[in-house]
Amino acid sequence: DQQVKQNSPSLSVQEGRISILNCDYTNSMFDYFLWYKKYPAEGPTFLISISSIKDKNEDGRFTVFLNKSAKHLSLHIVPSQPGDSAVYFCAASGGATNKLIFGTGTLLAVQP
Amino acid sequence: EPEVTQTPSHQVTQMGQEVILRCVPISNHLYFYWYRQILGQKVEFLVSFYNNEISEKSEIFDDQFSVERPDGSNFTLKIRSTKLEDSAMYFCASSERGAGPNQPQHFGDGTRLSIL
Repeated sequence: DQQVKQNSPSLSVQEGRISILNCDYTNSMFDYFLWYKKYPAEGPTFLISISSIKDKNEDGRFTVFLNKSAKHLSLHIVPSQPGDSAVYFCAASGGATNKLIFGTGTLLAVQP
Repeated sequence: EPEVTQTPSHQVTQMGQEVILRCVPISNHLYFYWYRQILGQKVEFLVSFYNNEISEKSEIFDDQFSVERPDGSNFTLKIRSTKLEDSAMYFCASSERGAGPNQPQHFGDGTRLSIL
C-alpha cells in the first residue's frame, strides 16, 4: 500500500535553518492531511493538518503546504530547533473513511 | 492537556495465548481507533469504533481480533490466539468526531507486544 509516500528517510538541518519535509500521495479521494511527530518510545503527536480546500496552513513555526495538482504536501519548520529532532509522519484520510494512511516517516536531525 | 493512555507499555506473551491491550481515550472523544506498527514498517490502521460498534476494519483485523468498550472510559483490543507475526507496537487513538478538517486523531504511547 503506497498511497502515501515519504521518499526521504532522513534529513539533517542546522539549528535556526528551515526544515522541509515532503510527502506525496496517489489517492485523489484524500481530503484531509496531517503531520505527526514521533519521539522514540512515544506515540505519534499531532502537529498540524490541512484540508484539501486549502493550500496552506500555519501554526507558529510550522507551515503545511498542499499542492493538489501535484498530489504533494510539505511541512516547513522555521526556525528549526534541536528539540524538533524526531521522526515526522505524513498521514491522509478521505472519502467515506476515517482511517489514516501513514507514510513511512522521515527522521529529522537538527544539529546545534 | 488531555491525553490517550495505554496499558501495559510492554506485554510479553506466549504464542497461542490471549492478550488484551487497554486504552483510555480522551474523555470527550467519540471515535476510537487501533493501529499497529511492525518494527521497520508503516503505522497501519486496524479498526475504528463509534457508538459501540465497529465502523471500519482492515484486512489485518481478522476473527482473532476483537474490540470492546466495556465501560464509559476503557477501550480494549483483544487478540484471541496470538501468533509470532502479531509482535508489534499497538497504538490506540481517539478523535472528538469523525475525520475531516480540525478532527485530528490523538495517539497514546503504545503497547509493545512481543510474542514468544
